[in-house]
Amino acid sequence: GENVEQHPSTLSVQEGDSAVIKCTYSDSASNYFPWYKQELGKRPQLIIDIRSNVGEKKDQRIAVTLNKTAKHFSLHITETQPEDSAVYFCATGGYNKLIFGAGTRLAVHP
Amino acid sequence: GAVVSQHPSWVICKSGTSVKIECRSLDFQATTMFWYRQFPKQSLMLMATSNEGSKATYEQGVEKDKFLINHASLTLSTLTVTSAHPEDSSFYICSVQGARGETQYFGPGTRLLVL
Repeated sequence: GENVEQHPSTLSVQEGDSAVIKCTYSDSASNYFPWYKQELGKRPQLIIDIRSNVGEKKDQRIAVTLNKTAKHFSLHITETQPEDSAVYFCATGGYNKLIFGAGTRLAVHP
Repeated sequence: GAVVSQHPSWVICKSGTSVKIECRSLDFQATTMFWYRQFPKQSLMLMATSNEGSKATYEQGVEKDKFLINHASLTLSTLTVTSAHPEDSSFYICSVQGARGETQYFGPGTRLLVL
């Protein structure tokens, strides 16, 4: 069945550094790749997404890259700030449903 | 994005009782709604997909007679946990999806504690 592997499970960085989270998926039919940020006890919030006809997308300090051949996509956060601390989930899918990765707990230390 | 609400935000009940959770799309016609369950420090696990006016499609391992889903309109879906047991204690989150895109917008979640 569909599977999404997300690494690392935890990530600790100093404020101002960059953070990179990578996901690998198995279903070659996947055409939609969103990233969600979830703070403790709150709802997942969409921070950026990319579709399979695009290789890279950027929104201020956040970027996502997609390599469809290798079936992996990555989230890049530059100039990290303490408020970036949260759990980040990648997902793959499309109109039918999303399959989520296990999550990455990001801690940004001042 | 869409504005999604859930009610109640948290509920404590005795074992054996049934609990109904509502998911409302406040400004968005949600042709599809999804229900997820999230245990502490774990990922979101899809329970079922519901389309307005149709029966829900349940994921493997999710009992449809235990988790009753109704999607009566484009703005409301309900999840009823029947005969709840302590192992059903979890964070239940819904999401909505429109007809024009794949993006899912999540509700704030309902924390269920079964004693």
